[in-house]
Amino acid sequence: GIQVEQSPPDLILQEGANSTLRCNFSDSVNNLQWFHQNPWGQLINLFYIPSGTKQNGRLSATTVATERYSLLYISSSQTTDSGVYFCAGGPNEKLTFGTGTRLTIIP
Amino acid sequence: DTEVTQTPKHLVMGMTNKKSLKCEQHMGHRAMYWYKQKAKKPPELMFVYSYEKLSINESVPSRFSPECPNSSLLNLHLHALQPEDSALYLCASSQSGQGGYEQYFGPGTRLTVT
Repeated sequence: GIQVEQSPPDLILQEGANSTLRCNFSDSVNNLQWFHQNPWGQLINLFYIPSGTKQNGRLSATTVATERYSLLYISSSQTTDSGVYFCAGGPNEKLTFGTGTRLTIIP
Repeated sequence: DTEVTQTPKHLVMGMTNKKSLKCEQHMGHRAMYWYKQKAKKPPELMFVYSYEKLSINESVPSRFSPECPNSSLLNLHLHALQPEDSALYLCASSQSGQGGYEQYFGPGTRLTVT
């Protein structure tokens, strides 16, 4: 199956800082999503981005499908951005999750 | 509306019990999923139903038995579980085929096996 490498595993930032999270995939995917998991376990959809670039407020994502990687950018971090960020990808319905990036924003 | 609901929120069961987890969506999605997430680990796919038929079983032990009574409902029947099956069980749904595969997740059922 597809392998998903996510980096960095942990990130601690001051409020207001910017960050970049990365996912590498071992094979081509036609389904790629970014999620934020809150402390209660809910997975919140951030982006569905098999290719191209999308932006939503302070968050944006870019997927370079030909090179099998995706980036999530968070600008002007707020304490509410803390939590675990997962990327997941795969062929059609079969999503494989990366190991996650635990982001901590310090006031 | 992009809501997937799951019941119960929490469940404690003994190893000899039989229980069921329930999941419901009203987005007209034709694919539904069960995932298992252990503490500090990513979710792992267990089952996929597409158009109410089981399309993917990720070699899950038979003590987990999925059921899709109709396109809006998904159940996971549990029996003779082991303590290591304690985890967060997540349900998701998506369109299928031409509609794309973006998955939407429910809040999960936190299961403890004693």
